Formats: sequence, C-alpha cells, structure tokens
Amino acid sequence: QSVLTQPPSVSAAPGQKVTISCSGSSSNIGNNYVSWYQQLPGTAPKLLIYDNNKRPSGIPDRFSGSQSGTSATLGITGLQTGDEADYYCGTWDSSLSVEVFGGGTKLTVL
Amino acid sequence: EVQLVESGGGLVQPGRSLRLSCAASGFTFDDYAMHWVRQAPGKGLEWVSGISWNSGSIAYADSVKGRFTISRDNAKNSLYLQMNSLRAEDTALYYCAKDLSGSPDYYFDYWGQGTLVTVSS
Repeated sequence: QSVLTQPPSVSAAPGQKVTISCSGSSSNIGNNYVSWYQQLPGTAPKLLIYDNNKRPSGIPDRFSGSQSGTSATLGITGLQTGDEADYYCGTWDSSLSVEVFGGGTKLTVL
Repeated sequence: EVQLVESGGGLVQPGRSLRLSCAASGFTFDDYAMHWVRQAPGKGLEWVSGISWNSGSIAYADSVKGRFTISRDNAKNSLYLQMNSLRAEDTALYYCAKDLSGSPDYYFDYWGQGTLVTVSS
C-alpha cells in the first residue's frame, strides 16, 4: 500500500487532455513539493515535473503540474501515442523521513 | 552527456551480501547528491537510499535500514550500495539516480538503466 494514492489507469484519445491525480496527507504533499516521473515500457523513469510545477529543460510544455492541499495533479495535453507509459508522483514524507512514491498510473492513449 | 552505469547485480541466496556500483560520467559528480531507487518486477518505484555530495547527509528507507549502506567515492566518480542480510523482498531492479542538487532535494533528473538483484535459494 503506497503512501501516495494514484489511479491505477487512465485513458484518453490522441490529441486530448488527461489528468493524473496523486493524493497524500499533510505529512507529505501538504507540506512538501511534488515531482512526477514518466516510465516508458522497458526504460528507466524520466523526471517530468519538480517543485510541483517546474519542468526540467527538454520537457515540453504539454506536461504540467499543480498542487492543492494534500493532492497533486499531472496534466498532459495534446496526447500522443508515445505518451503511453507509467506515471509516478513522488514527494518527501516528513513523518516517515523518506522519499515516497505513488503506486503509479498507466496511461493508455486509445 | 550524463551517464550512470550500474553493476554488481545478480542471483544471491537469502542472508548473503552483494555490493552494487554506479559509475558516473558527464557531470561534476561531487556537486550532486545521489540515490538508489529500486523497482520490484511488475511493481512501482521505491526509494532505497540517498547520500549528499560530501557524504554528510545519508538516509535510508525503513525497509533497508540497518542492512544496506550507501557510500560514494568522489575521486572515482562512483556510488555504491552494500547490501547485507538480503531477503527475497529485496529482489528488484536497482537504479542509480542523480539528484538535482548537492544536498538531497529528492528530484532524480538522471537515471541509469538499472542492475537486477534476485534473492532466491
């Protein structure tokens, strides 16, 4: 059971927009910044978002992040088949003193 | 180009030890914190351990505390994970990951391809 809760799967059509939620508590998302990772099949994860809403260089602005209270959201617009991947949220948990990840969300682009 | 290359994985019996290594290149290694993150087969990500640029700050997941030891050799641009008293639940692909900063921010901006550790009799 992950400390952060994500939906197991989401799907949308090419060109559409999708959001992936990440729910936590005051000891993690409520008081710490959130990051998001994309893991394409058979590859290592890739940092998409850090500090809730910042994108590393090279990450297109189709990817966005937001945080409100004890939840965070990853948004992806202009969906492409190449976006099919597992997406993970992560943050520091101040009570556990560890970095925690969500269980992951599988995105299917129909 | 940043490169992280893990090695040292393999099949090991429960209770035995293994030492993982990560060779880093393409960036100033001693400017950045480093981490180990693992992924059990078909499962999600689990942060294992992190170490600051100067080894002054070290942290572990509860699941490995007391059994695993992280270290680094800045002169050799290398990160290590000494794993003792291995258990079946330690079976996973172990990734070496670079932090965005020197004191751990826990943002992993570069990852290696991983080294597989299988704990089984």
